[in-house]
Amino acid sequence: RKEVEQDPGPFNVPEGATVAFNCTYSNSASQSFFWYRQDCRKEPKLLMSVYSSGNEDGRFTAQLNRASQYISLLIRDSKLSDSATYLCVVNLLKGGGNKLTFGTGTQLKVEL
Amino acid sequence: EAQVTQNPRYLITVTGKKLTVTCSQNMNHEYMSWYRQDPGLGLRQIYYSMNVEVTDKGDVPEGYKVSRKEKRNFPLILESPSPNQTSLYFCASSRPLNEKLFFGSGTQLSVL
Repeated sequence: RKEVEQDPGPFNVPEGATVAFNCTYSNSASQSFFWYRQDCRKEPKLLMSVYSSGNEDGRFTAQLNRASQYISLLIRDSKLSDSATYLCVVNLLKGGGNKLTFGTGTQLKVEL
Repeated sequence: EAQVTQNPRYLITVTGKKLTVTCSQNMNHEYMSWYRQDPGLGLRQIYYSMNVEVTDKGDVPEGYKVSRKEKRNFPLILESPSPNQTSLYFCASSRPLNEKLFFGSGTQLSVL
């Protein structure tokens, strides 16, 4: 089982739609969680951290469910500019140290 | 401007010819890391460094070397590149590991 798993997509949605991605992680001792955005062949950039209480940043909402070991990202009112790959990142305890592990990403395509 | 600078952006080489990809950050970050990204496999960690003179293997360290003699620099060395090291490489840095990870703009390496 992969340490961090994401549905690769692509998710093709019309402009204005609401779309949600999930990401599951295998290590219950994971400490922190993030969503990164990556445009084609460019460097990943932090979209938002994910807090236990859930957090929102404009049209983006992130949730953490520790019991079921998954995090989610909700995008409301999708824009064409939201088209990208969304990477789930988990800080796993490994060998006594912290280690960031990336999911393979979920591709989103927002269409007219 | 706070940034991670990676060079070169593109590199084509032949099997067995030693090469170095440079990475430098101007944010005084303790943590630095190298990743490779391949289709369907996502970002995989090659090596990381928690501070000067402290380096450790990531998930895919075979065929790579790193050094951390100064805080700002973290070069990636391929002593004898092989075609299976053809990939997109990213360097990244951060302060404490739970904080935002800053990425360089990437190096597309092709080994013929």
